[in-house]
Amino acid sequence: NAGVMQNPRHLVRRRGQEARLRCSPMKGHSHVYWYRQLPEEGLKFMVYLQKENIIDESGMPKERFSAEFPKEGPSILRIQQVVRGDSAAYFCASSFGLAGGTGELFFGEGSRLTVL
Amino acid sequence: GENVEQHPSTLSVQEGDSAVIKCTYSDSASNYFPWYKQELGKGPQLIIDIRSNVGEKKDQRIAVTLNKTAKHFSLHITETQPEDSAVYFCAASRDTGGFKTIFGAGTRLFVKA
Repeated sequence: NAGVMQNPRHLVRRRGQEARLRCSPMKGHSHVYWYRQLPEEGLKFMVYLQKENIIDESGMPKERFSAEFPKEGPSILRIQQVVRGDSAAYFCASSFGLAGGTGELFFGEGSRLTVL
Repeated sequence: GENVEQHPSTLSVQEGDSAVIKCTYSDSASNYFPWYKQELGKGPQLIIDIRSNVGEKKDQRIAVTLNKTAKHFSLHITETQPEDSAVYFCAASRDTGGFKTIFGAGTRLFVKA
């Protein structure tokens, strides 16, 4: 049973380009979470999604960032017109049901975005 | 908003000594408190968790304690080994519908051989 799969593992973009990060949750998991980690810092919550629904996007910047989790296919975190401050590791996690209610978050290995 | 404070940010111990990491949370409705270990270049992995109906939980060399009244919880690692060196995150969540997990800033633990 494969774990949470994220790709790409490393992504380099120039300022103004778009970045798309993908996350396939663990088999049977219907809840996906995106977190951002700046160098030497903690995990900052960005967004929580279920299939076709955004449940909580209180941690998402108001502009340039969007996320989706379609009925079929992976969850995608999209960053438009990237700036240097977007450089970070973006982690996806999935859970079977409600985090806390049914247990742990399973994390992917992360996607490391570098903006030149 | 919800917040989790974690201390210390860095901790260095000799192999065989104990390590203690402390966290406080602000959301009094939080009732699930997991701890994650993150090794270099990897994603965080759950090592132990505790729910609010329990005050202490132990799993081999690691233990967690929870004081709901004071809203703080701690991780204790005994007989530390070099492979315990990593970044440790505490977190808080609720087991009600659609709630996110909030993480502390992390503690970088160094175990010196």
